[in-house]
Amino acid sequence: GIQVEQSPPDLILQEGANSTLRCNFSDSVNNLQWFHQNPWGQLINLFYIPSGTKQNGRLSATTVATERYSLLYISSSQTTDSGVYFCAVEDSNYQLIWGAGTKLIIKP
Amino acid sequence: DGGITQSPKYLFRKEGQNVTLSCEQNLNHDAMYWYRQDPGQGLRLIYYSQIVNDFQKGDIAEGYSVSREKKESFPLTVTSAQKNPTAFYLCASSSLYTRNYGYTFGSGTRLTVV
Repeated sequence: GIQVEQSPPDLILQEGANSTLRCNFSDSVNNLQWFHQNPWGQLINLFYIPSGTKQNGRLSATTVATERYSLLYISSSQTTDSGVYFCAVEDSNYQLIWGAGTKLIIKP
Repeated sequence: DGGITQSPKYLFRKEGQNVTLSCEQNLNHDAMYWYRQDPGQGLRLIYYSQIVNDFQKGDIAEGYSVSREKKESFPLTVTSAQKNPTAFYLCASSSLYTRNYGYTFGSGTRLTVV
């Protein structure tokens, strides 16, 4: 089956810093999503991005499907950005295959 | 506002009891999913359903059961056969036909065996 690898596993930054999270996947996928899970467990869909680049405020994402990777950029980090960021890809049966996540801690 | 509602937020189960977790959505989504998350881990698929009265096992279906009698509702029962049910349970939904928005998740139910 498709393998999804996220890096780095953990990231600690000072408020105001920028960061790049990476997601590699092992095979062609129908689409790719980025999620943020806050410390209370709520999962929020950040981007639905099978290819190309999207931006939403301080966050942006780029997926290069031909090279099987996606990047999530967070600029000017805030403490509310803390949590776990998951990448998930959709296989040919419309099922999500999840990465293990990147745990981000933003220090004030 | 459209969304997914999970209840209860916290649930305590005694050994040998069956418990049912509720998941309701008003997004008119076709597909619904149940995931389990253990501390510090990613999500694992328990069951999913793409149409009413039909559902499929995910990766860790043993000890769980579901029903899909209405499009809006997808309850999960954790049976006494599930030996280690303490976990965070997340319900999600998605449209199979308008694919631009991905999955929407509920706020989760934390189940603890006491």
